[in-house]
Amino acid sequence: AQKITQTQPGMFVQEKEAVTLDCTYDTSDQSYGLFWYKQPSSGEMIFLIYQGSYDEQNATEGRYSLNFQKARKSANLVISASQLGDSAMYFCAMREGPTGFQKLVFGTGTRLLVSP
Amino acid sequence: SAVISQKPSRDICQRGTSLTIQCQVDSQVTMMFWYRQQPGQSLTLIATANQGSEATYESGFVIDKFPISRPNLTFSTLTVSNMSPEDSSIYLCSVDQGAGFGEQFFGPGTRLTVL
Repeated sequence: AQKITQTQPGMFVQEKEAVTLDCTYDTSDQSYGLFWYKQPSSGEMIFLIYQGSYDEQNATEGRYSLNFQKARKSANLVISASQLGDSAMYFCAMREGPTGFQKLVFGTGTRLLVSP
Repeated sequence: SAVISQKPSRDICQRGTSLTIQCQVDSQVTMMFWYRQQPGQSLTLIATANQGSEATYESGFVIDKFPISRPNLTFSTLTVSNMSPEDSSIYLCSVDQGAGFGEQFFGPGTRLTVL
């Protein structure tokens, strides 16, 4: 079974609009972490935001926020006020177990295209 | 966050040859990871490299095909051996600095094309 599911292969948004990228996960661990990464066409992986399973508040980092719904096992990324430079692949990833050098499992990604 | 460099940034190789990819970090880190990203695909973990011990390989990856060295806390190499066109991918190294919540920071990647 897929640990991380991203059902949107591609998303389009107009500049200055908000967009939500979906991510659902599957784990039986009580302690886990969820991450979002951005991969521009250059290929580098850029860490955006983190949500811990015990965090009661949704994570926010600038224009990025994470809509964490634990009961539904979803961790959607919300990008507010989209910019042309947001066009990239976005990957959701999960760390199972407590912090301590655990491996990350990545979803298949969503390609976001921001239009003027 | 750590600054990570990889060499080469890209290469075109003939089938049957081997390529060694270097990953250098500007600070000491315990855990380094090697990922493969096939064209249009997500990242797949090849192995976890600890300093001073054998690398731990994921299912589907073997040491004979992807030997890894980790001679110190700032450096690692991944060799792609006896290459075939199916090995054409981006290879990325990453590190967990151990001071956060398990986020990994990635190098810029090595784009490998095998003819």
